[in-house]
Amino acid sequence: GAVVSQHPSWVICKSGTSVKIECRSLDFQATTMFWYRQFPKQSLMLMATSNEGSKATYEQGVEKDKFLINHASLTLSTLTVTSAHPEDSSFYICSVRRTQGDYSNQPQHFGDGTRLSIL
Amino acid sequence: SQKIEQNSEALNIQEGKTATLTCNYTNYSPAYLQWYRQDPGRGPVFLLLIRENEKEKRKERLKVTFDTTLKQSLFHITASQPADSATYLCALGVNQGGKLIFGQGTELSVKP
Repeated sequence: GAVVSQHPSWVICKSGTSVKIECRSLDFQATTMFWYRQFPKQSLMLMATSNEGSKATYEQGVEKDKFLINHASLTLSTLTVTSAHPEDSSFYICSVRRTQGDYSNQPQHFGDGTRLSIL
Repeated sequence: SQKIEQNSEALNIQEGKTATLTCNYTNYSPAYLQWYRQDPGRGPVFLLLIRENEKEKRKERLKVTFDTTLKQSLFHITASQPADSATYLCALGVNQGGKLIFGQGTELSVKP
């Protein structure tokens, strides 16, 4: 069954709107979750690492005030795209990784993504 | 500059043949490498993981190799089936909090 639940799967909204995307870890507690963005026919680009109980770590070039991440519990992280514009239209995907053991032994489990379209 | 490159062209093969996908990287020193499958409109699904001290890993019809001298990983699907048609992504584990750096993916199409 699914390890990660992402909601909503698809959203269309007007320019200037803020949109919140939820990522839930269903199978285990996750102190770390990752947020990616993917444009058509392109690679997944890591936006930020979400850490439970502390601030997210953003990748270079990602505006932290534009993409707000909240990881308030061990099973839920949210990404809010604030004042969204057409250029923010993309496929946003979250992932979780078991935090027990070393990194070299753990795959990431991905949600099914959120297709965001800003008109 | 740092780069990850997968087969730039889509790969079309006949059912039953072996598909071989490549992943080359420059200016990275990954501790491990992972392969994922992604279907249209879906999130990636983990397939195989190989560490820097491992040469080869197998799982059913899948095989991955990792050559840290050549800075290359090869991903093989034997006895391919139309259901194997998807985009395959390689990802480097750079050991910074479990972060993965993804290649752009190779689209595989298996014809009956």
